[in-house]
Amino acid sequence: GENVEQHPSTLSVQEGDSAVIKCTYSDSASNYFPWYKQELGKRPQLIIDIRSNVGEKKDQRIAVTLNKTAKHFSLHITETQPEDSAVYFCAAWEDNYGQNFVFGPGTRLSVLP
Amino acid sequence: KAGVTQTPRYLIKTRGQQVTLSCSPISGHRSVSWYQQTPGQGLQFLFEYFSETQRNKGNFPGRFSGRQFSNSRSEMNVSTLELGDSALYLCASSLVAGPETQYFGPGTRLLVL
Repeated sequence: GENVEQHPSTLSVQEGDSAVIKCTYSDSASNYFPWYKQELGKRPQLIIDIRSNVGEKKDQRIAVTLNKTAKHFSLHITETQPEDSAVYFCAAWEDNYGQNFVFGPGTRLSVLP
Repeated sequence: KAGVTQTPRYLIKTRGQQVTLSCSPISGHRSVSWYQQTPGQGLQFLFEYFSETQRNKGNFPGRFSGRQFSNSRSEMNVSTLELGDSALYLCASSLVAGPETQYFGPGTRLLVL
C-alpha cells in the first residue's frame, strides 16, 4: 500500500523567514496531495492541495510543488508569521489498496517572534 | 454553510463497553470518512461511506464499524473498547467520494479507562 514520509518532524524558524516541509510517497498511482494545518486542540484545516497533472500551485504566502518522477511534494511558506505555528500534515490519495488518504506523520512548525 | 459537526465532543468509557459517535457532514456532501488520530500513530483512515455504502475500510479490527444514513449523516461504533482505542476520532466530509477536498469536523475525544 501507500506510505507517506514527512520531514522534518519539527521545524523552528524566525518570523519572516521561509519554511519548507517535504513529503515522499511510494505509490506512483497517487494523484491528489493535500496539506492540512492543525493548531493545538483544533481540527485539521486544508491549506493547499495539488493534483498530479500540476507541478506547482501557489496561494499567497503558501505554495506546493510536486515532482512525480521523484515521488515527492513540498510545502513552502514564505514570510512566516507566529500564527503559522501549528502541526502540518501532508497526505496522498491512494485508491489501489482502498486506503483513501494516507497521511504523513506531521511537522511541528514553530515561528519565533 | 455550516461546517462538519461531531457529537459528542468528549467521551469517557471503560474497557469492554461500546461507543457510538456521530458525524453530520456539510450540507450537500455525500461522502463521509472517519479517521483515528493518536500521538503515536498519527492520522489513520478508518472507513469511508458514500451514498449509504461503505466504500473503503482501513486496517482496523472488526470492532470498528460504521454506517451512513440517507441524509448523509454517519455514525461509527466501537465495540468491546480497549485502552488503545483512546484517541481523537475525526470525521471529514466531501462532495463526492474519491480524491476530493475533505473538510474535517472538530473530532470526538474518547478516553477509555
